[in-house]
Amino acid sequence: EVHLSESGGGLVQPGGSLRLSCAASGFTFSTYAMSWVRQAPGKGLEWVSVVNGGATGTYYADSVKGRFTVSRDNSKNTVYLQIDSLRAEDTAVYYCAKVENYFGSGRLDYWGQGTLVTVSS
Amino acid sequence: QPVLTQPPSTSASLGASVTLTCTLNSGYSTYKVDWFQQRPGKGPRFVMRVGSGGIVGSKGDGIPDRFSVLGSGLNRSLAIENIQEEDEGDYHCGADHSSGPSFVPNWVFGGGTKLTVL
Repeated sequence: EVHLSESGGGLVQPGGSLRLSCAASGFTFSTYAMSWVRQAPGKGLEWVSVVNGGATGTYYADSVKGRFTVSRDNSKNTVYLQIDSLRAEDTAVYYCAKVENYFGSGRLDYWGQGTLVTVSS
Repeated sequence: QPVLTQPPSTSASLGASVTLTCTLNSGYSTYKVDWFQQRPGKGPRFVMRVGSGGIVGSKGDGIPDRFSVLGSGLNRSLAIENIQEEDEGDYHCGADHSSGPSFVPNWVFGGGTKLTVL
């Protein structure tokens, strides 16, 4: 059974940083791309980033490019999202999702429960 | 890039049927759309993918037969029959908009529809 578990969220001041983690189990982690999607309070979903199975390709939404960095450690079955220069508009629940293939384009077929990031002074 | 439009809310009585709509903007009639269910306080769950000809591939794990999709023109709809209390929640549609010959992943989502079961 596929299981994704995010952690690392919390309250941070504007301009601060956080590193989110997503631990995966139930599938061969290194053969699938992993994506991050966020949801601001009361809003819809917003795609943030994706990393391919071998961590050789990373892609970002324009709204986070230059501030967010996605990475993965296939030996630990974990994907990370480093978020820097945080702004109030980054306040959201951050979900990790498994992509149905290695490359990063395809169905988001399994999702975690999310971790809340709150940016406030 | 594609824009997906969903009505913000709808309601249906227990045991009834409902159709949730997701409309693509002009010029994107060939796009496939994925439906996701999000129960209160939970993460999204993949339901199924729909193209202009109907379902594409298989349903997500544990999605009952009561759920089906229809694709027509710019519309990508999710139909739920014999609605149960467990169906209450938000339903999101999304499209994978990988662009250009160099392939750059890029997802877009609709605003979501809140389904209330009466």
